[in-house]
Amino acid sequence: SSELTQDPAVSVALGQTVRITCQGDSLRSYYASWYQQKPGQAPVLVIYGKNNRPSGIPDRFSGSSSGNTASLTITGAQAEDEADYYCNSRDSSGNLVVFGGGTKLTVL
Amino acid sequence: QLQLQESGPGLVKPSETLSLTCTVSGGSISSSSYYWGWIRQPPGKGLEWIGSIYYSGSTYYNPSLKSRVTISVDTSKNQFSLKLSSVTAADTAVYYCASQKSGGYCSSTSCYGGVYFDYWGQGTLVTVSS
Repeated sequence: SSELTQDPAVSVALGQTVRITCQGDSLRSYYASWYQQKPGQAPVLVIYGKNNRPSGIPDRFSGSSSGNTASLTITGAQAEDEADYYCNSRDSSGNLVVFGGGTKLTVL
Repeated sequence: QLQLQESGPGLVKPSETLSLTCTVSGGSISSSSYYWGWIRQPPGKGLEWIGSIYYSGSTYYNPSLKSRVTISVDTSKNQFSLKLSSVTAADTAVYYCASQKSGGYCSSTSCYGGVYFDYWGQGTLVTVSS
């Protein structure tokens, strides 16, 4: 079982805004990073740190955090954003790395 | 920018040892900025962190796999490797290697640390079957 909990599936209408959440006690002390994974491909880092996007990641992707919950927001979702999204962070001890179970995003 | 490439057998027999190597290009594995990690993904399932290593050889592992995992580094070849012993069908997965960074920031009220994997290999499917 993961120390980070994600909703298994979320849907959004094309062009609308969607928030994908990640919950865990460790997020009170450690930030979540976010990855996008499309079928048959390796994960791609989309958000890390406070709200940092690697080069090439569109600015419609943003991250935030409150208490034990981190969120990935896609503002104006596009068809190409349909993918699985994973959060990751450290565990509560700070010594290990954990991933959330993943959220499948469907763009309608 | 970094590029990582996994290599190793795609088929391993039950009870044997899975061995994979990750070759890093576009940068030095001896960089003080990075740890180097292994992550796996069983078919149709989520990502699972296996363990990570620093160029000095310092390692840390997922407790659920720790008794069977060894990660090592060869700085002369710019490579790091994974060995997973006594494999079963449950170890069938796509295995990824990735570069791992740590960092932190402070808000007006709190400071946060964290970890992220910024560059990933393409992944290699390892099937455990007789």
